[in-house]
Amino acid sequence: ETGVTQSPTHLIKTRGQQVTLRCSSQSGHNTVSWYQQALGQGPQFIFQYYREEENGRGNFPPRFSGLQFPNYSSELNVNALELDDSALYLCASSLGGQASPRGAGANVLTFGAGSRLTVL
Amino acid sequence: GDSVTQMEGPVTLSEEAFLTINCTYTATGYPSLFWYVQYPGEGLQLLLKATKADDKGSNKGFEATYRKETTSFHLEKGSVQVSDSAVYFCALSVSSGNTPLVFGKGTRLSVIA
Repeated sequence: ETGVTQSPTHLIKTRGQQVTLRCSSQSGHNTVSWYQQALGQGPQFIFQYYREEENGRGNFPPRFSGLQFPNYSSELNVNALELDDSALYLCASSLGGQASPRGAGANVLTFGAGSRLTVL
Repeated sequence: GDSVTQMEGPVTLSEEAFLTINCTYTATGYPSLFWYVQYPGEGLQLLLKATKADDKGSNKGFEATYRKETTSFHLEKGSVQVSDSAVYFCALSVSSGNTPLVFGKGTRLSVIA
């Protein structure tokens, strides 16, 4: 089975520009989530997509948006880039995906290697 | 809110030394707990997990026990190898689904021969 693949692996943008990052989920997985990992920090949850709809979001502004396609692949779009957006963006796929605060029993996420974005 | 605190690195050990990386958590619900590892240039890989109190997760010689009374999930390995050099992240999830994961800041481990 193929794992999670992300593209591009590295890119450089300037402030104010827009960027699109892409993710192909692992075969058989129907849920995709995105995380931002700043240098020296742990990953932070941006949002999750299940059945082509966003069904969970972290503390990120609306200029961070996404899409999920019928084949379960996904895009992360960031508008009006800021210097602090420089980070490694990680995509993770999983099976299931209805985020619910009901308790323990999490499934396994498979992460891609990430897209490293530098904003100058 | 939910949070994870893990010991700051970097941690440098000689090969075959004993490893402990401390992790404590704060959660509003009953979380599942995880350790992820990130090798240079790679994505996160799940190392082990535990979903209820007193569960012990183990993999590749690493172990961690879910201690609800001390809200801890410390990672241990009896004899580290150079190939264990990586960044280790403790994480939790209170969702019955699989996200969001709340991560600690990570601990960089360097093992020298």
